[in-house]
Amino acid sequence: EAGVAQSPRYKIIEKRQSVAFWCNPISGHATLYWYQQILGQGPKLLIQFQNNGVVDDSQLPKDRFSAERLKGVDSTLKIQPAKLEDSAVYLCASSTGRVGGYTFGSGTRLTVV
Amino acid sequence: SQKIEQNSEALNIQEGKTATLTCNYTNYSPAYLQWYRQDPGRGPVFLLLIRENEKEKRKERLKVTFDTTLKQSLFHITASQPADSATYLCASPAGRRALTFGSGTRLQVQP
Repeated sequence: EAGVAQSPRYKIIEKRQSVAFWCNPISGHATLYWYQQILGQGPKLLIQFQNNGVVDDSQLPKDRFSAERLKGVDSTLKIQPAKLEDSAVYLCASSTGRVGGYTFGSGTRLTVV
Repeated sequence: SQKIEQNSEALNIQEGKTATLTCNYTNYSPAYLQWYRQDPGRGPVFLLLIRENEKEKRKERLKVTFDTTLKQSLFHITASQPADSATYLCASPAGRRALTFGSGTRLQVQP
Protein backbone atom coordinates (compact mmCIF):
# COMPACT_ATOMS: atom_id res chain seq x y z
CA GLU A 1 0.00 0.00 0.00
CA ALA A 2 1.17 3.56 -0.57
CA GLY A 3 2.64 5.33 2.44
CA VAL A 4 1.83 8.69 3.96
CA ALA A 5 2.73 11.37 1.44
CA GLN A 6 4.00 14.77 2.50
CA SER A 7 5.13 17.79 0.56
CA PRO A 8 7.28 19.73 0.26
CA ARG A 9 10.28 17.85 1.63
CA TYR A 10 12.18 21.01 2.43
CA LYS A 11 11.23 24.65 2.85
CA ILE A 12 13.29 27.69 3.75
CA ILE A 13 11.46 30.92 4.58
CA GLU A 14 12.19 34.18 6.30
CA LYS A 15 10.66 34.94 9.68
CA ARG A 16 7.21 36.50 9.52
CA GLN A 17 6.48 34.76 6.20
CA SER A 18 3.80 32.11 5.89
CA VAL A 19 4.16 28.48 4.87
CA ALA A 20 1.88 25.52 4.27
CA PHE A 21 2.48 21.79 4.40
CA TRP A 22 0.39 19.09 2.80
CA CYS A 23 -0.27 15.50 3.87
CA ASN A 24 -2.10 12.60 2.24
CA PRO A 25 -2.61 9.73 4.69
CA ILE A 26 -2.92 6.00 4.15
CA SER A 27 -6.18 5.26 2.35
CA GLY A 28 -8.88 4.35 4.84
CA HIS A 29 -7.06 5.71 7.89
CA ALA A 30 -9.57 7.77 9.80
CA THR A 31 -7.12 9.40 12.18
CA LEU A 32 -4.47 11.90 11.09
CA TYR A 33 -1.83 13.57 13.23
CA TRP A 34 0.60 16.44 12.80
CA TYR A 35 3.75 16.30 14.91
CA GLN A 36 6.59 18.79 15.25
CA GLN A 37 10.08 17.37 15.76
CA ILE A 38 12.84 19.74 16.79
CA LEU A 39 16.38 18.50 16.23
CA GLY A 40 17.44 16.09 18.97
CA GLN A 41 13.93 15.75 20.40
CA GLY A 42 11.07 13.35 19.97
CA PRO A 43 7.99 14.23 17.93
CA LYS A 44 5.52 16.51 19.72
CA LEU A 45 1.83 16.35 18.85
CA LEU A 46 0.35 19.50 17.34
CA ILE A 47 -3.09 18.32 16.28
CA GLN A 48 -5.12 15.13 15.88
CA PHE A 49 -8.05 14.69 13.46
CA GLN A 50 -10.66 11.95 13.44
CA ASN A 51 -12.10 12.01 9.93
CA ASN A 52 -12.55 15.76 9.37
CA GLY A 53 -13.07 16.70 13.02
CA VAL A 54 -10.44 17.93 15.48
CA VAL A 55 -9.91 15.56 18.43
CA ASP A 56 -7.01 17.33 20.15
CA ASP A 57 -5.37 20.65 19.32
CA SER A 58 -4.34 21.56 22.85
CA GLN A 59 -0.66 21.90 21.92
CA LEU A 60 -1.19 23.82 18.68
CA PRO A 61 -0.03 27.47 18.93
CA LYS A 62 -3.30 28.77 17.55
CA ASP A 63 -2.10 32.35 17.23
CA ARG A 64 0.09 31.30 14.31
CA PHE A 65 -0.65 27.67 13.42
CA SER A 66 -3.77 26.37 11.73
CA ALA A 67 -4.70 23.02 10.24
CA GLU A 68 -7.59 21.58 8.36
CA ARG A 69 -8.66 18.23 7.01
CA LEU A 70 -11.38 18.87 4.50
CA LYS A 71 -13.39 15.84 3.38
CA GLY A 72 -11.61 13.70 5.97
CA VAL A 73 -8.74 12.74 3.69
CA ASP A 74 -5.72 14.96 3.09
CA SER A 75 -4.70 17.76 5.40
CA THR A 76 -2.80 21.02 5.38
CA LEU A 77 -0.89 22.67 8.21
CA LYS A 78 -0.16 26.38 7.97
CA ILE A 79 2.12 28.69 9.90
CA GLN A 80 1.55 32.44 9.69
CA PRO A 81 3.68 34.30 10.61
CA ALA A 82 6.66 32.00 11.11
CA LYS A 83 9.17 32.50 13.90
CA LEU A 84 12.76 31.30 14.12
CA GLU A 85 11.77 28.72 16.74
CA ASP A 86 9.40 27.07 14.26
CA SER A 87 12.43 25.56 12.51
CA ALA A 88 11.77 21.83 12.79
CA VAL A 89 10.60 18.77 10.89
CA TYR A 90 6.83 18.59 10.55
CA LEU A 91 5.66 15.00 10.47
CA CYS A 92 2.27 13.77 9.39
CA ALA A 93 1.05 10.36 10.55
CA SER A 94 -2.10 8.34 10.16
CA SER A 95 -3.69 5.37 11.87
CA THR A 96 -6.89 3.35 11.85
CA GLY A 97 -7.82 4.90 15.18
CA ARG A 98 -7.70 1.53 16.90
CA VAL A 99 -4.79 0.46 19.11
CA GLY A 100 -1.80 0.01 16.84
CA GLY A 101 1.16 1.71 15.27
CA TYR A 102 1.11 4.97 13.42
CA THR A 103 2.38 5.30 9.86
CA PHE A 104 4.51 8.40 9.40
CA GLY A 105 5.45 10.32 6.32
CA SER A 106 9.03 11.44 5.73
CA GLY A 107 8.26 14.91 6.99
CA THR A 108 8.85 18.48 5.83
CA ARG A 109 12.02 20.10 7.10
CA LEU A 110 11.32 23.79 7.72
CA THR A 111 14.10 26.30 8.21
CA VAL A 112 13.12 29.81 9.27
CA VAL A 113 15.87 32.40 8.77
CA SER B 1 2.87 16.09 34.80
CA GLN B 2 3.05 12.95 32.66
CA LYS B 3 6.51 12.20 31.32
CA ILE B 4 8.10 9.57 29.12
CA GLU B 5 11.87 9.59 29.18
CA GLN B 6 14.70 7.89 27.35
CA ASN B 7 18.44 8.06 27.84
CA SER B 8 19.52 10.86 25.53
CA GLU B 9 23.10 9.66 25.41
CA ALA B 10 24.04 7.62 22.38
CA LEU B 11 24.59 3.90 22.86
CA ASN B 12 27.62 2.43 21.11
CA ILE B 13 27.99 -1.34 20.90
CA GLN B 14 29.94 -3.90 18.92
CA GLU B 15 28.34 -5.91 16.15
CA GLY B 16 26.92 -9.18 17.44
CA LYS B 17 26.22 -7.88 20.95
CA THR B 18 22.81 -7.23 22.44
CA ALA B 19 21.67 -3.62 22.59
CA THR B 20 19.37 -2.64 25.46
CA LEU B 21 17.50 0.66 25.45
CA THR B 22 15.44 2.01 28.34
CA CYS B 23 12.18 3.93 28.46
CA ASN B 24 10.77 5.25 31.75
CA TYR B 25 7.42 6.88 32.37
CA THR B 26 6.19 8.88 35.35
CA ASN B 27 2.91 10.15 36.73
CA TYR B 28 0.66 7.96 34.61
CA SER B 29 -0.06 4.35 33.72
CA PRO B 30 -0.14 3.76 29.97
CA ALA B 31 -2.28 0.94 28.64
CA TYR B 32 0.49 0.13 26.18
CA LEU B 33 3.87 1.26 24.93
CA GLN B 34 5.17 1.38 21.40
CA TRP B 35 8.68 1.41 19.97
CA TYR B 36 9.69 3.09 16.73
CA ARG B 37 12.86 3.30 14.67
CA GLN B 38 13.85 6.58 13.04
CA ASP B 39 16.60 6.97 10.46
CA PRO B 40 18.07 10.40 9.59
CA GLY B 41 15.78 12.36 7.30
CA ARG B 42 12.93 9.88 7.66
CA GLY B 43 9.80 9.57 9.74
CA PRO B 44 9.56 7.06 12.60
CA VAL B 45 8.71 3.48 11.66
CA PHE B 46 6.57 1.37 14.00
CA LEU B 47 8.31 -1.72 15.38
CA LEU B 48 6.46 -3.22 18.34
CA LEU B 49 3.56 -2.64 20.72
CA ILE B 50 3.37 -4.13 24.20
CA ARG B 51 0.30 -3.92 26.42
CA GLU B 52 0.32 -3.41 30.18
CA ASN B 53 -0.74 -7.02 30.82
CA GLU B 54 2.08 -8.40 28.68
CA LYS B 55 5.49 -8.95 30.21
CA GLU B 56 7.37 -9.51 27.01
CA LYS B 57 6.92 -9.30 23.23
CA ARG B 58 9.25 -10.59 20.54
CA LYS B 59 9.67 -9.98 16.83
CA GLU B 60 12.63 -11.59 15.10
CA ARG B 61 15.74 -10.15 16.84
CA LEU B 62 13.71 -7.61 18.80
CA LYS B 63 12.35 -8.06 22.30
CA VAL B 64 10.40 -5.59 24.42
CA THR B 65 9.52 -5.87 28.10
CA PHE B 66 7.05 -3.85 30.13
CA ASP B 67 7.43 -3.59 33.92
CA THR B 68 4.52 -1.68 35.42
CA THR B 69 6.10 -1.82 38.88
CA LEU B 70 9.29 -0.15 37.74
CA LYS B 71 7.33 2.00 35.23
CA GLN B 72 9.80 0.97 32.60
CA SER B 73 10.08 -0.68 29.21
CA LEU B 74 13.26 -2.24 27.88
CA PHE B 75 13.96 -2.70 24.17
CA HIS B 76 16.52 -5.32 23.18
CA ILE B 77 18.15 -6.00 19.83
CA THR B 78 20.02 -9.31 19.84
CA ALA B 79 22.90 -10.10 17.48
CA SER B 80 23.05 -6.42 16.54
CA GLN B 81 24.20 -5.37 13.08
CA PRO B 82 25.52 -2.06 11.72
CA ALA B 83 22.20 -1.76 9.84
CA ASP B 84 20.47 -1.51 13.23
CA SER B 85 22.14 1.88 13.78
CA ALA B 86 19.34 4.43 14.14
CA THR B 87 17.42 6.40 16.75
CA TYR B 88 14.85 4.40 18.68
CA LEU B 89 11.80 6.12 20.14
CA CYS B 90 9.37 4.87 22.73
CA ALA B 91 5.85 6.24 22.85
CA SER B 92 2.65 5.81 24.79
CA PRO B 93 -0.78 7.36 24.95
CA ALA B 94 -1.85 9.38 27.98
CA GLY B 95 -5.41 8.18 28.46
CA ARG B 96 -7.29 8.39 25.17
CA ARG B 97 -4.91 10.94 23.72
CA ALA B 98 -2.51 10.47 20.84
CA LEU B 99 0.97 9.08 21.38
CA THR B 100 3.50 11.03 23.39
CA PHE B 101 7.07 10.27 22.36
CA GLY B 102 10.30 10.12 24.30
CA SER B 103 13.30 12.02 23.01
CA GLY B 104 14.85 8.86 21.55
CA THR B 105 18.12 7.02 22.03
CA ARG B 106 20.63 6.90 19.20
CA LEU B 107 22.16 3.46 18.71
CA GLN B 108 25.44 3.05 16.88
CA VAL B 109 26.56 -0.52 16.09
CA GLN B 110 30.24 -0.76 15.26
CA PRO B 111 31.40 -3.41 12.76
